[in-house]
Amino acid sequence: DAGVIQSPRHEVTEMGQEVTLRCKPISGHDYLFWYRQTMMRGLELLIYFNNNVPIDDSGMPEDRFSAKMPNASFSTLKIQPSEPRDSAVYFCASSLVGPDEAFFGQGTRLTVV
Amino acid sequence: TQLLEQSPQFLSIQEGENLTVYCNSSSVFSSLQWYRQEPGEGPVLLVTVVTGGEVKKLKRLTFQFGDARKDSSLHITAAQPGDTGLYLCAGAYSNDYKLSFGAGTTVTVRA
Repeated sequence: DAGVIQSPRHEVTEMGQEVTLRCKPISGHDYLFWYRQTMMRGLELLIYFNNNVPIDDSGMPEDRFSAKMPNASFSTLKIQPSEPRDSAVYFCASSLVGPDEAFFGQGTRLTVV
Repeated sequence: TQLLEQSPQFLSIQEGENLTVYCNSSSVFSSLQWYRQEPGEGPVLLVTVVTGGEVKKLKRLTFQFGDARKDSSLHITAAQPGDTGLYLCAGAYSNDYKLSFGAGTTVTVRA
């Protein structure tokens, strides 16, 4: 298996623009997690899905953030409108059972200028 | 505020030396995991410990879960430059599927 695949690897956008991050989890994994990593706050869980259904989105910082999982092999994280403080590395992870033994993608480094 | 406190924040040692990284919390976890993250990559799972007092060994790495399941340590024997990276601990609760991560310990092993 190719592992968790995220795209793009790097994204630079201007403040106010819409940004969409994409994730393909490992086939057969029922759980998908979106994390954000910054120097100040470390790794934070934004939202997670179980069988394509959002279970807990309490980590989503604002209404500007939204996430979808239309099928078992694809998820998106959208920021609209983007702000400079959204600059971070966004990780997608998937696991077979719960948070244990989660496999992370390589991340998307987002820079909002 | 981090639920999991890791120490030290930075550690720089010479190849061949030993090192220990600590992960402490006031919370009881159902399981605790250690990850290593290299620059530009996502965290990679090293081990999961679930039983209080449990000790797991992975080659030169030894992981221990505290008896009360509130703390853990990672010990590396005869460190090598390939051990360089950010070491993260993460705890999970039995009634929740969230992982709480520590801030990490940046380990640098000099050749």
